[in-house]
Amino acid sequence: NAGVTQTPKFQVLKTGQSMTLQCAQDMNHEYMSWYRQDPGMGLRLIHYSVGAGITDQGEVPNGYNVSRSTTEDFPLRLLSAAPSQTSVYFCASSYLGGYNEQFFGPGTRLTVL
Amino acid sequence: QQQVKQSPQSLIVQKGGISIINCAYENTAFDYFPWYQQFPGKGPALLIAIRPDVSEKKEGRFTISFNKSAKQFSLHIMDSQPGDSATYFCAASREIKAAGNKLTFGGGTRVLVKP
Repeated sequence: NAGVTQTPKFQVLKTGQSMTLQCAQDMNHEYMSWYRQDPGMGLRLIHYSVGAGITDQGEVPNGYNVSRSTTEDFPLRLLSAAPSQTSVYFCASSYLGGYNEQFFGPGTRLTVL
Repeated sequence: QQQVKQSPQSLIVQKGGISIINCAYENTAFDYFPWYQQFPGKGPALLIAIRPDVSEKKEGRFTISFNKSAKQFSLHIMDSQPGDSATYFCAASREIKAAGNKLTFGGGTRVLVKP
């Protein structure tokens, strides 16, 4: 099993550009989520999904869009990048239910100039 | 407004010493408290977790202590080793069936174990 994979590993954007961060998992997990990690802030939930076709907002959703057409994939889209979106982004997945372990991907480091 | 507050932000401990990281939460509905370990350039990985029906959980050199009345929990790393040097995050969530595990994280603690 590859687990949770993310691409790209690094990305530099200019303000106003758009891009999609890719996330895929091969564990047949229903639940997938996106977090951003900033120094001193821990990880903050951006968006999450409990299954194909179902998404919802987390703590910091502004400026980001998601969709989930398959169980395996959960891309995160930045429509118009801003410097405030400079961060490290992590995708995670788990089985549904409150106590199931979440597995995190290796992260994407994004810099917006 | 951070619902889970973690301290200290960093700590240095000698090999063989005890590392202690503390977290406090506000939402009394939280009922799951995991700790994640993150090495540089990697994603966080679950280290140990506790539910509020017990006051302590131990796995090897790692122990979680939980104080429900004080809304606090802590991670103790006994006999700290250089390989334990990492960033540790506490987190909290509440079970909502069929709604996933929305974790609220603390700010993280960078631990450095000196040989």
